[in-house]
Amino acid sequence: KAGVTQTPRYLIKTRGQQVTLSCSPISGHRSVSWYQQTPGQGLQFLFEYFSETQRNKGNFPGRFSGRQFSNSRSEMNVSTLELGDSALYLCASSLYSGGGAYEQYFGPGTRLTVT
Amino acid sequence: AQKVTQAQTEISVVEKEDVTLDCVYETRDTTYYLFWYKQPPSGELVFLIRRNSFDEQNEISGRYSWNFQKSTSSFNFTITASQVVDSAVYFCALWGYGGSQGNLIFGKGTKLSVKP
Repeated sequence: KAGVTQTPRYLIKTRGQQVTLSCSPISGHRSVSWYQQTPGQGLQFLFEYFSETQRNKGNFPGRFSGRQFSNSRSEMNVSTLELGDSALYLCASSLYSGGGAYEQYFGPGTRLTVT
Repeated sequence: AQKVTQAQTEISVVEKEDVTLDCVYETRDTTYYLFWYKQPPSGELVFLIRRNSFDEQNEISGRYSWNFQKSTSSFNFTITASQVVDSAVYFCALWGYGGSQGNLIFGKGTKLSVKP
């Protein structure tokens, strides 16, 4: 089985721009969660999608949004980028809703640098 | 509030030494799950174990073992006879029903360096 894939792997953007990151879960997995990892704040939950519906959202501003498609692929979007958005963005897939309560499979992440 | 504390920021050992990574958690939930994940230099987190709050049995998997003690709110992870390939950042995490469902709380991680 192919693992979780994330594209692109690296991205450099300028403050004020917007960015879209993509995640393809393991085949058959319907839950996709997104996490932000920074040296200062560590790993923080962004949101979870299950069957195209957002099931839960972490404590992030509205500039962070996401969606899930019928094939379970997910995208997250960050608008009006700030320097503090520089981070590793990790996507994780799981079979069940409430994915964080179950074994999750993580992708390699997208390293976003905002200049 | 839910919280996970990994007091050890970095640990360095020599190959074949045993090493224990500490994890202390806080939650008001009676039903919760605890996890350990490994993050090698490649970046992706790798699932190691999931333990529910009603199962305090210790678990052993090869060189890995976990000690769950509700009385001290701890879920410690021991690697026996460490190897260089064990070098990674290890995260302890907590998921509970009382908080926002789906919100997995991670500790800050412990960076383990195993030297040959």
